[in-house]
Amino acid sequence: DAGVIQSPRHEVTEMGQEVTLRCKPISGHDYLFWYRQTMMRGLELLIYFNNNVPIDDSGMPEDRFSAKMPNASFSTLKIQPSEPRDSAVYFCASSPTGLAGGKAGELFFGEGSRLTVL
Amino acid sequence: QQPVQSPQAVILREGEDAVINCSSSKALYSVHWYRQKHGEAPVFLMILLKGGEQKGHEKISASFNEKKQQSSLYLTASQLSYSGTYFCGTAQLNSGNTPLVFGKGTRLSVIA
Repeated sequence: DAGVIQSPRHEVTEMGQEVTLRCKPISGHDYLFWYRQTMMRGLELLIYFNNNVPIDDSGMPEDRFSAKMPNASFSTLKIQPSEPRDSAVYFCASSPTGLAGGKAGELFFGEGSRLTVL
Repeated sequence: QQPVQSPQAVILREGEDAVINCSSSKALYSVHWYRQKHGEAPVFLMILLKGGEQKGHEKISASFNEKKQQSSLYLTASQLSYSGTYFCGTAQLNSGNTPLVFGKGTRLSVIA
């Protein structure tokens, strides 16, 4: 079975440009998560969806960040305008069981999108 | 509340043992361990549920002390393939539907 697929793997852009990261979760997984990884802060949850509906976006750092999940097989994370401090690796993960009363299911991560904003 | 991992980094020679700790200030329902090799995605190792569970994965095992809200990951007779960054993720008790919160990771380097 194909795992979580992310694109692009690497993105280098200039400050002020729009960046769109894409994710295809594992088929049948009802939960999708976007994480950002930096050396300073580790893995931070940005937003997560359940059945295509955004549940918690409190981790989204600013209004410059937005995420959508138009259907069960596709999600995007958009940064507009991008800034150098957005440079990080962005991971998408999906889960079959997700969350239930505090019990988080196993997460299946994509290979990440490494973003560099100059 | 982000769990705290210690140590931040450790270097081992092949065959040596290591312990990685993960602690939280909140009551936990479960602790999850992931390993990330350089340039790759984090990969699930194991879940420990409250109840003082202990689990194993090859020569890697873990325990969960719910009274102390701590989990420890034990790597015995380390192999070169164990190198990577180990993350613990925690799910808080009675917090409803909440996702995992990850620690900052422990970088493990195994050398020949």
